[in-house]
Amino acid sequence: QVQLVESGGGVVQPGRSRRLSCEVSGIAFIVYGMHWVRQAPGKGLEWVAVTSSDATEKYYAESVKGRFSISRDNSKNMLYLQMNNLRPEDTAFYYCTTRNFGYWGQGALVTVSS
Amino acid sequence: QSALTQPASVSGSPGQSITISCTGTSSDVGAGNFVSWFQQHPGKAPKLLIYEVTLRPSEVSHRFSGSKSANTASLTISGLQGEDDADYYCSSYTVGNTYVFGTGTKVTVL
Repeated sequence: QVQLVESGGGVVQPGRSRRLSCEVSGIAFIVYGMHWVRQAPGKGLEWVAVTSSDATEKYYAESVKGRFSISRDNSKNMLYLQMNNLRPEDTAFYYCTTRNFGYWGQGALVTVSS
Repeated sequence: QSALTQPASVSGSPGQSITISCTGTSSDVGAGNFVSWFQQHPGKAPKLLIYEVTLRPSEVSHRFSGSKSANTASLTISGLQGEDDADYYCSSYTVGNTYVFGTGTKVTVL
């Protein structure tokens, strides 16, 4: 059974940092590229970032470039999203998903508010 | 990268067929065959319905089908059922090695 479980969500003040984690099980994580996708409450989906299976290639949406960093630890089946200099408009549910978007986590809510 | 354009809402009666469009540019939808479609029910994660324009995961109903012409992709739902009442999103790979989602379409089964 494939499971993607995000953690690390919560309330954070503007300008501060937060790291999200995604634990993956039930698939050969090491061969999968992975994405982060976010969705502001009541709004549409927004692609955030992608990493190749070996982390040699990483790409970001313009809205987060220079502030967010995607990484992974293939020895632990873990995907990460380091979010720096957070803004109120970054408030959203953050989902991890496989490269082909076939498997999704349940989402972690990050609220950026003072 | 601007979001792909979808109609805000589409509705149909049970048993009917509906089509949702997804319009992009030559830098995304028109650039290749990497358009996907997703279904999302309230409070749930998105579910992949179609990938690479026309391909369907084995667990997805044959009532869902995809196509593309130039910069516009389409999702057709045949034999509309109550459970199809949900939000639908398209996405596309872009020439910049990034991805973009559509604006989303609310499907209402009358």
